[in-house]
Amino acid sequence: GQNIDQPTEMTATEGAIVQINCTYQTSGFNGLFWYQQHAGEAPTFLSYNVLDGLEEKGRFSSFLSRSKGYSYLLLKELQMKDSASYLCAVVDSNYQLIWGAGTKLIIKP
Amino acid sequence: NAGVTQTPKFRILKIGQSMTLQCTQDMNHNYMYWYRQDPGMGLKLIYYSVGAGITDKGEVPNGYNVSRSTTEDFPLRLELAAPSQTSVYFCASSETESEKLFFGSGTQLSVL
Repeated sequence: GQNIDQPTEMTATEGAIVQINCTYQTSGFNGLFWYQQHAGEAPTFLSYNVLDGLEEKGRFSSFLSRSKGYSYLLLKELQMKDSASYLCAVVDSNYQLIWGAGTKLIIKP
Repeated sequence: NAGVTQTPKFRILKIGQSMTLQCTQDMNHNYMYWYRQDPGMGLKLIYYSVGAGITDKGEVPNGYNVSRSTTEDFPLRLELAAPSQTSVYFCASSETESEKLFFGSGTQLSVL
């Protein structure tokens, strides 16, 4: 079966750096997405990786290793507004999106 | 820019009732989706559409129906509501099958 694993919950301090990991086992691979979802709101797009390596976008970076079935989202200079759930999703060989359960990130002052 | 508009935001149904969740997008996207999200679970695909007149089942289609008569609209119909359908529902659209999704604001549905 297809599976995506993310930690359920993480806690970090305002101003610090946090890395949220995502490992996947899917039938084929056509890209990996990260979405941010604040409580009670819809997910919003953060990043997309289809090739190995690091993609940097402001305070957020996303890394992909296809050979290891692994990605991480790196958040720098954490702000209180970064408190949210972070969803990892993989596009499989049939171009279906497989979603992880999400990582709830709690930022403490 | 409205994006994806989804109504209603909240609804309480009695067991056996039916209702339609409305979804419309103004981005001329061919791909539209309906997801449900339960606490602690990933998004589950209910139905999707790759264009007007074309719909297909996702992972959890039982108890739901959809139609896609226009590019803009993709309503989700719940027939004979059951407590297991208590969830948050999201409509989404994308330009292609591998592009990012744009989500509606969600519908919190309770079936009592």
